Amino acid sequence: EVKLVESGGGLVQPGGSLTLSCAASGFIFTNYHMNWVRQAPGKGLEWLSCIRRDGTTTFYIDSLEGRFTVSRDNARNSIFLQMNSLTAGDTAVYYCVREGDTGSYSRYWGQGALVTVSS
Amino acid sequence: DVVMTQSPDSLAVSLGETATISCKSSQSVFFHSNNRDYLAWYQQKPGQPPKLLIYWASTRQYGVPDRFSGSGSGTDFTLTISSLQAEDVAIYYCQQYYTTLYTFGQGTRLEIK
Repeated sequence: EVKLVESGGGLVQPGGSLTLSCAASGFIFTNYHMNWVRQAPGKGLEWLSCIRRDGTTTFYIDSLEGRFTVSRDNARNSIFLQMNSLTAGDTAVYYCVREGDTGSYSRYWGQGALVTVSS
Repeated sequence: DVVMTQSPDSLAVSLGETATISCKSSQSVFFHSNNRDYLAWYQQKPGQPPKLLIYWASTRQYGVPDRFSGSGSGTDFTLTISSLQAEDVAIYYCQQYYTTLYTFGQGTRLEIK
C-alpha cells in the first residue's frame, strides 16, 4: 500500500523558517518524481514544486521567489521542503504527492501538514 | 505558465441528473508524439486530500465509478458526472501536467439541488 506521511508542520512567526518532511512507503521510491502542493484555508490547490527521481533536478513556481527548496533522500525514502522567509500568505495545508505510473498526474496524496504563519 | 480555467465556479444538480464541468487551458496540452492530452481531474471532499479521478483526459482511475467520464482535447476539456449521487458532493479540479509547472484550475464546487 502506498503511503505518504507529511510531518513538520506547525505555527511559525512571520519571517521564520520551517522544514516539512514526507516519508514514503509501499513503492520503489527512486522510480518516481515527487511534488509538493499546497492549499490555503478555503482556497484551491496550488502546485509548488517537483523533484525528479534522482534528486538532481527541481522545479518551482515563480511566486516562491527562491524562498523554498525541495530535496530528497532516496536512502530514507523521503522528500523535504525547506521554507524560509515565511509570510501569512504561506499559511496552508502542504501535501506531498507522488506521480502516476504512466505520467506526471498526481496519483497519490499524503494527508497534508498544516503550516500556520502568524505572530 | 499554463493557466487552467474551470467553469462554472459552482453548480447545483439534482440527484440522478448529470453534472458537467468545463476546463480550458491557455495553451494546448496535447502531445503529438504520443497522441495524449496531459490533463487530469480530481475530487476533493471536505477535510480530505484530493483523489485522482481521470488522467490522460479520459482514462478513469481504477476504482472510480463509471458515472465519471472525461472528454476533450487540446485546450477544452469536460468532466461529466452522470446519475449524480449524494456522495459526489465535492470540489472538482482539473490539472495539466504537460509542462513541469503542473497548474490546477481554480476548482468547481458541486452541490445537490
